[in-house]
Amino acid sequence: QKEVEQDPGPLSVPEGAIVSLNCTYSNSAFQYFMWYRQYSRKGPELLMYTYSSGNKEDGRFTAQVDKSSKYISLFIRDSQPSDSATYLCAMNPGFQKLVFGTGTRLLVSP
Amino acid sequence: SQTIHQWPATLVQPVGSPLSLECTVEGTSNPNLYWYRQAAGRGLQLLFYSVGIGQISSEVPQNLSASRPQDRQFILSSKKLLLSDSGFYLCAWKSPGEAGTDTQYFGPGTRLTVL
Repeated sequence: QKEVEQDPGPLSVPEGAIVSLNCTYSNSAFQYFMWYRQYSRKGPELLMYTYSSGNKEDGRFTAQVDKSSKYISLFIRDSQPSDSATYLCAMNPGFQKLVFGTGTRLLVSP
Repeated sequence: SQTIHQWPATLVQPVGSPLSLECTVEGTSNPNLYWYRQAAGRGLQLLFYSVGIGQISSEVPQNLSASRPQDRQFILSSKKLLLSDSGFYLCAWKSPGEAGTDTQYFGPGTRLTVL
């Protein structure tokens, strides 16, 4: 079993839809959770990070962590074609290391 | 502000040839530096990380090596490339002063094709 599971997609939605991207994990020691956005042939860029459980909002993006269920989500409101990218979740199991999901490819059609 | 550079952006090399990929970071001192490889459908694999000049930790036994000759320079090398070395190579940095979070920031990547 992988430490972090993420549906590879692709997830196709129309412009304006609410998007929900999710990751599950198995290591209860994870404390910090990140979402990265990666456009095709580019490096990942940090989108959101959260510590422990709860919600964090930044513009159209909301990151949610449920440590009891070992489940994290990224919600995108009013999705735009420019949101089309691969979204990677990442989490911290300890010093120096991040464990990444394989990424979910999102396609937002105009 | 901090920026991270990688070059070359793309590289096509024959099997058995040497490799040198370079990463430099600007706007920060004594960063932690990382090399990752990203293969399709397999996520990001940490290859090496460094907490200071000359200090390299290897995560995966392989055909590659890393060096950090200067504070903000990180180099990924191979003496003889294999077909399986093809992939997208990403360099990342983290501020050592950030308590707690291991938030890392990535460079633009190098796409390596070994033929």
